[in-house]
Amino acid sequence: RKEVEQDPGPFNVPEGATVAFNCTYSNSASQSFFWYRQDCRKEPKLLMSVYSSGNEDGRFTAQLNRASQYISLLIRDSKLSDSATYLCVVPERGSGTYKYIFGTGTRLKVLA
Amino acid sequence: EAQVTQNPRYLITVTGKKLTVTCSQNMNHEYMSWYRQDPGLGLRQIYYSMNVEVTDKGDVPEGYKVSRKEKRNFPLILESPSPNQTSLYFCASSLYSGTYEQYFGPGTRLTVT
Repeated sequence: RKEVEQDPGPFNVPEGATVAFNCTYSNSASQSFFWYRQDCRKEPKLLMSVYSSGNEDGRFTAQLNRASQYISLLIRDSKLSDSATYLCVVPERGSGTYKYIFGTGTRLKVLA
Repeated sequence: EAQVTQNPRYLITVTGKKLTVTCSQNMNHEYMSWYRQDPGLGLRQIYYSMNVEVTDKGDVPEGYKVSRKEKRNFPLILESPSPNQTSLYFCASSLYSGTYEQYFGPGTRLTVT
């Protein structure tokens, strides 16, 4: 099983739709999680951090399910500008510090 | 403006010709990292650094070297590039590691022929 797994998509949804995607992780000791957004091979940018059960920021909600070891990202009222790849990131504790494990990303296309 | 800069942004080179990609951040961050991104494989960590003179291997360190002589700079060195190092490279920094947001540079697209 991959350390961090995402459905690659693409998820094609109409404007205004609600869409959700999941990210599963294998290390049960993981404590914090991130969702990044990446536009067309540009640099990833932080969308949301998740430290406890979840987080909400406007139209975006992230939820953490520790028992099943996944985090989800819900986007409500999708906009054309939400079209991007969404990367799930899980810091993993190594010897003394953390390294970051990225999922391969889920591609979202919002259609007019 | 808080930022991570990388140079060059684009580079085409030949097998075996040593090259350095520079990375600099102006946020006084302790943690810096290099990633490569390949289709279908996502971002993979090459090397990371917890502070000056402290570096460690990520998941794909073979063929790369790094150094951290100053807090703000973290260059990536390819001593003898090969075609399988053709990739999109990102440098990132964060205040510390773990629960802190990483800020990414704009990326360096490297082609090795």
